[in-house]
Amino acid sequence: VIWMTQSPSLLSASTGDRVTISCRMSQGISSYLAWYQQKPGKAPELLIYAASTLQSGVPSRFSGSGSGTDFTLTISCLQSEDFATYYCQQYYSFPWTFGQGTKVEIK
Amino acid sequence: QITLKESGPTLVKPTQTLTLTCTFSGFSLSTSGVGVGWIRQPPGKALEWLALIYWDDDKRYSPSLKSRLTITKDTSKNQVVLTMTNMDPVDTATYYCAHSYPGSYFDLWGRGTLVTVSS
Repeated sequence: VIWMTQSPSLLSASTGDRVTISCRMSQGISSYLAWYQQKPGKAPELLIYAASTLQSGVPSRFSGSGSGTDFTLTISCLQSEDFATYYCQQYYSFPWTFGQGTKVEIK
Repeated sequence: QITLKESGPTLVKPTQTLTLTCTFSGFSLSTSGVGVGWIRQPPGKALEWLALIYWDDDKRYSPSLKSRLTITKDTSKNQVVLTMTNMDPVDTATYYCAHSYPGSYFDLWGRGTLVTVSS
């Protein structure tokens, strides 16, 4: 099983801030990593796959980087609609696993 | 346009078997590379991957739940069914089904269905 450490678990930020969320793997996964955004009461939505490829329709202020064991999701200029919980997910090997989530809240 | 929708009981008793159906449209589960998975989320907690079935009937399960899970597909009905035996209150969660192509991340999700386990 590949274990994931996602940090921070809670991030307080203001509109316009640049924020970064980290996801660290217990072993290398190449670039087989996805990022999702989930708003309260809603299903998760895919933001990024293959560590850095933006899903169609996702604003360009979202970006992903990393490979191997260390990955980062960056929101360059936080907008009001970005306050949500973010999850990473590895699909390098079964069982697929999700990070514990990072809640981005208004400061 | 791809859509997925989960259906099943909202309340089950401990020790009962849960059967959830994912009915989808906009794609075929006979197309090479396509998969449908199940993910759950207890209230206020993180996502947990449960199972995945591929177009070729290859099935994958969470090791911690493998003994309790069965995933099947009915290509003609555009449905994927997940059964989970011996339900316990800790299994209370929102259960999601999601589309996977090319057999990797989940690009589209259903809205989820909340299942409560209580006597």
